[in-house]
Amino acid sequence: GESVGLHLPTLSVQEGDNSIINCAYSNSASDYFIWYKQESGKGPQFIIDIRSNMDKRQGQRVTVLLNKTVKHLSLQIAATQPGDSAVYFCAENTDFNKFYFGSGTKLNVKP
Amino acid sequence: EAGVTQFPSHSVIEKGQTVTLRCDPISGHDNLYWYRRVMGKEIKFLLHFVKESKQDESGMPNNRFLAERTGGTYSTLKVQPAELEDSGVYFCASSLSGQGFRTGELFFGEGSRLTVL
Repeated sequence: GESVGLHLPTLSVQEGDNSIINCAYSNSASDYFIWYKQESGKGPQFIIDIRSNMDKRQGQRVTVLLNKTVKHLSLQIAATQPGDSAVYFCAENTDFNKFYFGSGTKLNVKP
Repeated sequence: EAGVTQFPSHSVIEKGQTVTLRCDPISGHDNLYWYRRVMGKEIKFLLHFVKESKQDESGMPNNRFLAERTGGTYSTLKVQPAELEDSGVYFCASSLSGQGFRTGELFFGEGSRLTVL
């Protein structure tokens, strides 16, 4: 399943499928990006980050892709599990030590 | 190692009352941030401390909000008097300082949910 930023704030996928969550960032000068996962009642938790000198970075079951030309960031989750259900935020860093967050995409994983 | 802790986890007050939220960052983290999420919208930046100094408070909504960080340790965010639109979840985050380069990961607390009736 795939979401497109603010136009599709909820993404529902079947357990075991791959998920793609998209984010359009605003500032072309942003050079550091982080994906956060927020579970209900908890604070955002770091998933993966990427700097602007890269276009792809892989973690465990997650991959972040960065397209600076169109100011687009995506988070791919392989073999989505029920524990992946949460709201996912992308954050961009432009000014020194200052981060801006998007509105988030809610991921629902159906068993 | 203790993470970022926030208190209270939930506060319900009436319009016009005062509320003070507290954040204890991770020990040794010079950077402390306050963010707010209102009605399921984006997480909005409020302000940033470096040690005890306000580095950036451009996100503070108005002068009803006052943030302090005494001695560069814990921080408080006071809302006085509270209005209905102040309801939301207030997150605190901390991070290490970089030496001339941008900091990395923000570590978030679990948030303080404020409900103004």
